[in-house]
Amino acid sequence: KAGVTQTPRYLIKTRGQQVTLSCSPISGHRSVSWYQQTPGQGLQFLFEYFSETQRNKGNFPGRFSGRQFSNSRSEMNVSTLELGDSALYLCASSTDWTRLYEQYFGPGTRLTVT
Amino acid sequence: GQNIDQPTEMTATEGAIVQINCTYQTSGFNGLFWYQQHAGEAPTFLSYNVLDGLEEKGRFSSFLSRSKGYSYLLLKELQMKDSASYLCAVREPYNQGGKLIFGQGTELSVKP
Repeated sequence: KAGVTQTPRYLIKTRGQQVTLSCSPISGHRSVSWYQQTPGQGLQFLFEYFSETQRNKGNFPGRFSGRQFSNSRSEMNVSTLELGDSALYLCASSTDWTRLYEQYFGPGTRLTVT
Repeated sequence: GQNIDQPTEMTATEGAIVQINCTYQTSGFNGLFWYQQHAGEAPTFLSYNVLDGLEEKGRFSSFLSRSKGYSYLLLKELQMKDSASYLCAVREPYNQGGKLIFGQGTELSVKP
């Protein structure tokens, strides 16, 4: 069974631009969560989608948004990029939102904002 | 508020036993997770505790005391490949959203 895939793996953007990251969950998984990982703040929860609905949202500004499609694939968007948005963005999927012990992470997208 | 504390770094010797502690103060609790993350890779699930006590899985064991807000991950017969960051995470109750709150992680170095 294929794992969680994220595209692109690496991205360099300039301040003020916007970016869209994509996550394809494991087949059959309907819950997708997004996390930001930085050396200073560690791993922080961004949001979670289940069956195309945002179930949960972390404490990030409105510049961070996401969505989930009917095939469970998810995208997250960051508008008006800031230097502090440089991070590893991880997505994780599970069969449903109650089964986080079966949550599998993707390899992440490394975003660098210059 | 939500606060999860872990030591930043630990060093241990190959073949030895190491215990990584995690203390938490959260407004609710619905389980504690441990993840392993090698440099440049995604976190992988190690263990899940929701009731007090010890859960053993091969060389890895995890303990939870809910009354003390305390957990530890025990790694036995350390191998060089165990050098990684170990993340402790607490799950919120479902009525608060159920999301995972992570600690900063403990960077474990295993020396020969």
